Amino acid sequence: EDQVTQSPEALRLQEGESSSLNCSYTVSGLRGLFWYRQDPGKGPEFLFTLYSAGEEKEKERLKATLTKKESFLHITAPKPEDSATYLCAVTLTGANSKLTFGKGITLSVRP
Amino acid sequence: ETGVTQSPTHLIKTRGQQVTLRCSSQSGHNTVSWYQQALGQGPQFIFQYYREEENGRGNFPPRFSGLQFPNYSSELNVNAWELDDSALYLCASSYVPPYNSPLHFGNGTRLTVT
Repeated sequence: EDQVTQSPEALRLQEGESSSLNCSYTVSGLRGLFWYRQDPGKGPEFLFTLYSAGEEKEKERLKATLTKKESFLHITAPKPEDSATYLCAVTLTGANSKLTFGKGITLSVRP
Repeated sequence: ETGVTQSPTHLIKTRGQQVTLRCSSQSGHNTVSWYQQALGQGPQFIFQYYREEENGRGNFPPRFSGLQFPNYSSELNVNAWELDDSALYLCASSYVPPYNSPLHFGNGTRLTVT
């Protein structure tokens, strides 16, 4: 069965304290791995897509990396406005764009 | 560029009622997907529509059904809501191919079943 597991479930950081969020996956036929940010009461907001092992993408304080078994979302010098739930999802080879999500990681950044 | 919009934003229903949720896809997108997100969980795939036909379905019973219209807007219909159906219902749109285009989500309809 295709699985996406995120860890830790929750993370509390002090402003400026860098850290990483983990997403491990066990799937057959990975097409792409996606990171989304979700604020309370809102829908997920697209951050990155990674397609192959070794790929990296950056946006402001966020950097996503991909290996054959997992992805990391590195947050450098986080600010309170980075507080949100970060969701990882995968699409598999096939004729639709179904996303299989992990449960998400709730990040809180204290000033 | 207009994003994905959903209506209504909140809904309270009693068990057994039928309801329709609506979604307008982002301009230029031709595919609509629906997801269910329970509290503290990641979204779960319900189904996807492409060119007005169902193009993939998750593990949801037949009482969950949908439509896609020629303007790419969509409806999610559920007959006989159950207590376990209380969740945030998310609509997402994309342009395919390719099938790894990122999905863009609306802010959802929060459903409470009593």
